[in-house]
Amino acid sequence: SQKIEQNSEALNIQEGKTATLTCNYTNYSPAYLQWYRQDPGRGPVFLLLIRENEKEKRKERLKVTFDTTLKQSLFHITASQPADSATYLCGLTGGGNKLTFGTGTQLKVEL
Amino acid sequence: DGGITQSPKYLFRKEGQNVTLSCEQNLNHDAMYWYRQDPGQGLRLIYYSQIVNDFQKGDIAEGYSVSREKKESFPLTVTSAQKNPTAFYLCASSMTGAPSASTQYFGPGTRLTVL
Repeated sequence: SQKIEQNSEALNIQEGKTATLTCNYTNYSPAYLQWYRQDPGRGPVFLLLIRENEKEKRKERLKVTFDTTLKQSLFHITASQPADSATYLCGLTGGGNKLTFGTGTQLKVEL
Repeated sequence: DGGITQSPKYLFRKEGQNVTLSCEQNLNHDAMYWYRQDPGQGLRLIYYSQIVNDFQKGDIAEGYSVSREKKESFPLTVTSAQKNPTAFYLCASSMTGAPSASTQYFGPGTRLTVL
């Protein structure tokens, strides 16, 4: 069956360091992979989308890589700040509009 | 100010009662979605609609119903048949036409508690 895995354990890092979150998938051929940020009690907010034929995408301090051979995406936040603390969700689209999400990884950036 | 609104933010329901959650968008998006989120879990798709007067079941549609009579509105009814309705409900919308079709814009959510 199709599966999207994100590390369920919270990631704690120090301010200024680079945070790296992982999204692995199986039995899936996604056309697009997306990352969203979710703060407690709020709806997710779209951050970045990467296509299956793209290796890397950047937006300000954010970088996403997409390796369809490894079936993995890495999400990096450079020069992390306490305000980056949130849960980050990975979502995959195989075709059409339907988006399937992973369970998310909580990031805590400490001073 | 464009966006998606959901109301109410908090909703309490007695067992055996149906309840309807509101979702409205003014983004002129064709597609709309309902998700359920439980603590420590990801978002699970309940229903989605790609066009007015049409909708499809998602992964966990049992005990829920929807309607899409207007482009901007996609209300969700949680029926008494839903065995465990206490959860955080999120509505989303997206444009049609890849790749932007797959990017979804979410509302603030409704937290439903069954007493």
